[in-house]
Amino acid sequence: GAVVSQHPSWVICKSGTSVKIECRSLDFQATTMFWYRQFPKQSLMLMATSNEGSKATYEQGVEKDKFLINHASLTLSTLTVTSAHPEDSSFYICSGADLAKNIQYFGAGTRLSVL
Amino acid sequence: QKEVEQNSGPLSVPEGAIASLNCTYSDRGSQSFFWYRQYSGKSPELIMFIYSNGDKEDGRFTAQLNKASQYVSLLIRDSQPSDSATYLCAVIVTGRRALTFGSGTRLQVQP
Repeated sequence: GAVVSQHPSWVICKSGTSVKIECRSLDFQATTMFWYRQFPKQSLMLMATSNEGSKATYEQGVEKDKFLINHASLTLSTLTVTSAHPEDSSFYICSGADLAKNIQYFGAGTRLSVL
Repeated sequence: QKEVEQNSGPLSVPEGAIASLNCTYSDRGSQSFFWYRQYSGKSPELIMFIYSNGDKEDGRFTAQLNKASQYVSLLIRDSQPSDSATYLCAVIVTGRRALTFGSGTRLQVQP
């Protein structure tokens, strides 16, 4: 399958700081990338849809000013968690959509711990 | 009603047996269905996708889709302890591009 690289895999930060997570599609062009969040023992919940060259589309209840998404190229999307708080601690996972195959490939995920 | 429903399990099967995982979905117009495997602390890994009614086989895995009953299943033959994981059913719901996930079924394969 296709490869999506996500990093960092693990980050610990102090409350109030910002954290940037990168998601790259390595062997296909992902005009659309998705950002999910997963809390312990729960399933993946979509946060936002990232579209290359345009604004992201956020799901209801997700603050766009807190979770900044940039998708400046066909292979890179970034998620910045601004002014992180302990309740933002979670497992953040991106996926790249290979529209030709109608398949999404997931990055390895980023575990964020906010102290 | 949840859009994608799965029994949370755990489903426990002995090594070598067939594990049967089930999923129902509410949107009758859905066309694309996926099974992902997720090990604890890891991100989901695609196992199978199926778009047409019937069975689709890939190695030890068989996906079954019945659109009339809005039901999709995953069979794992000759289950191995390494198959122990949470299996996520995902659907692309009409009008959306993102995956909608079920809550997952935890499978335990006993040696």
